[in-house]
Amino acid sequence: SNELTQPPSVSVSPGQTASISCSGDKLGSRYVSWYRQRPGQSPVLVIHQDRKRPSGVPERLSGSNSGNTATLTISETQDVDEGDYYCQAWDSNGGVFGGGTKLTVL
Amino acid sequence: QVQLRESGPGLVKTSETLSLTCTVSGGSISTSYWSWIRQPPGEGLGWIGYISYSGSTNYNPSLRGRVTISLDTSKNNFFLTLTSVTASDTAVYYCARHKGYGQTTDAFDIWGQGTLVTVSS
Repeated sequence: SNELTQPPSVSVSPGQTASISCSGDKLGSRYVSWYRQRPGQSPVLVIHQDRKRPSGVPERLSGSNSGNTATLTISETQDVDEGDYYCQAWDSNGGVFGGGTKLTVL
Repeated sequence: QVQLRESGPGLVKTSETLSLTCTVSGGSISTSYWSWIRQPPGEGLGWIGYISYSGSTNYNPSLRGRVTISLDTSKNNFFLTLTSVTASDTAVYYCARHKGYGQTTDAFDIWGQGTLVTVSS
């Protein structure tokens, strides 16, 4: 299967570290991108090629990818980090998105 | 900076054809790859397909046969056509620019604001 699986929700306290996983068959052999979507807004690219940050994305956000799991890590979590996060990769059929993870900062 | 804007009918009747336009401003359509992505209400993102600056295309197999993506370089626009629509095609439709050139490293680095298309009889 080329599906990407994410936990539906992750909760974190302000200032703590949040980790969002994305699992797929041999995902570590593919490049993964991550997007944040706030309510009513378009998605925004926050990580590409597993671990690269676009200009303007804070260093608090980092990515890794190995084996069957990619992980987005957000350190020193702030209220502005709340939103839905989607992983994305490419397979033989084209673009694939994970189901999304709602990050709540309690 | 490059900006994208989707436009088209907000309501399409069941079994008819959905047609959307993505207008690219602040840059040339002839230098990148471009995708359409959709999001049903309350659900996640789904990739529809992409077109290159030269017109080559790649579509989601689940939509192949119903979807066509084309471009007009003279107007800096690209287009989505989806035939025989049903209620399950109701979604916010986004156009997006590739950070890359149709490779497995590609990411979607610029998105339009999205346009809601409702399919109803």
